[in-house]
Amino acid sequence: AIVLNQSPSSIVASQGEKVTITCRASSSISSNYLHWYQQKPGAFPKLVIYSTSYRASGIPSRFSGSGSGTSYSFTISRVEAEDVATYYCQQGSSNPFTFGSGTKLEIK
Amino acid sequence: EVQLVETGGGLVRPGSSLKLSCATSGFTFSNTWMNWVRQAPGKGLEWVALIKDKYSNYEANYAESVKGRFTISRDDSKSRVYLQMNTLRDQDTATYYCTKITTTVFDYWGQGVMVTVSS
Repeated sequence: AIVLNQSPSSIVASQGEKVTITCRASSSISSNYLHWYQQKPGAFPKLVIYSTSYRASGIPSRFSGSGSGTSYSFTISRVEAEDVATYYCQQGSSNPFTFGSGTKLEIK
Repeated sequence: EVQLVETGGGLVRPGSSLKLSCATSGFTFSNTWMNWVRQAPGKGLEWVALIKDKYSNYEANYAESVKGRFTISRDDSKSRVYLQMNTLRDQDTATYYCTKITTTVFDYWGQGVMVTVSS
């Protein structure tokens, strides 16, 4: 199974700050099959970025993604209070589909 | 509007069985792959099982942690997907989410249903 190593496990940021989360795969995956989800406290997960860099419907432009091969990143250009959540990467390149361990974003 | 609604959760004893159901609407269910993902209390997301559509012969895949104990199935006539869970263990305690899949993207999620396995 492909293991996704996500870092950092937590981030504390100020509003307006740029934050970046990294997701490293144990084997190379197609960029078409690397996706990011946001889970706000007490809520179900929601798709944010699919296929490495495409924003899902209704997602603000401050969210972006990039990467290839085994290294991917997720960036919030200017963090807002409503972005408090745990973010997960997920690969669909090979069975079993796997998730990263999550990055919890908090605001100072 | 896409909707996914899970039912069937509850408190059960170790070794027992439970069947989850996910009712869907708002999309063409019959040609859509479907998924179950779970989340233990305070933990991260874990993919559980996937079932492909009729064009892929309803192929099912399972996480190693549930293989041989859980069975995913679907009823295209009712737009429902199911998860039959047998020989439940304490470690299966989690919120179970039904998700719709589009090209390996889990693009829509249900609200989740809680399963608690405890003696």
